Amino acid sequence: AQSVTQLGSHVSVSEGALVLLRCNYSSSVPPYLFWYVQYPNQGLQLLLKYTSAATLVKGINGFEAEFKKSETSFHLTKPSAHMSDAAEYFCAVSRSGNTPLVFGKGTRLSVIA
Amino acid sequence: DTAVSQTPKYLVTQMGNDKSIKCEQNLGHDTMYWYKQDSKKFLKIMFSYNNKELIINETVPNRFSPKSPDKAHLNLHINSLELGDSAVYFCASRPTTGAGYNEQFFGPGTRLTVL
Repeated sequence: AQSVTQLGSHVSVSEGALVLLRCNYSSSVPPYLFWYVQYPNQGLQLLLKYTSAATLVKGINGFEAEFKKSETSFHLTKPSAHMSDAAEYFCAVSRSGNTPLVFGKGTRLSVIA
Repeated sequence: DTAVSQTPKYLVTQMGNDKSIKCEQNLGHDTMYWYKQDSKKFLKIMFSYNNKELIINETVPNRFSPKSPDKAHLNLHINSLELGDSAVYFCASRPTTGAGYNEQFFGPGTRLTVL
């Protein structure tokens, strides 16, 4: 079975500071990994995905994530936080392209002016 | 030009009622899903449909019955609503071929409140 662990249910950073949201996964097969963002009262928007190509994946809004097989991690980073980045972030894994997503519990990012 | 749409956006109802949530996608995708997001924001798969056929039913109570009249629609009917059914329900779709075949596109969600 697959699972995702997101360390820290709430992360708070200052505007302009580095954003680091942690995600570790468990999968018996090479996984497909995703980061989604959810703004208040909205749906889920895909930030980026890893599908066995390049291990460093660049996404929208300046975010990127690095797949590290040895650490079973797929942490999300952004060099400089903006106020508009405040949202809930979900890491997700799927066994293959055609299986449902298994989500982590989410990390709420707050950005302080 | 909405990709995945859901109606209604908000639904408030009494315990014991029967209600439906509709989902439509205009992306030409073959696979559609229903996910439930509980009050703690935890997201979990409920159903998966491919070409109108049920593929996955993740131990959801049989009070929940998905129906796919065609590939573009996946509706969710809930009988005898309970307080614990209060949640946000997300529909999603995914192409089965092509460059984005492993990417799911989510609707805006339906917030169901059972009183």
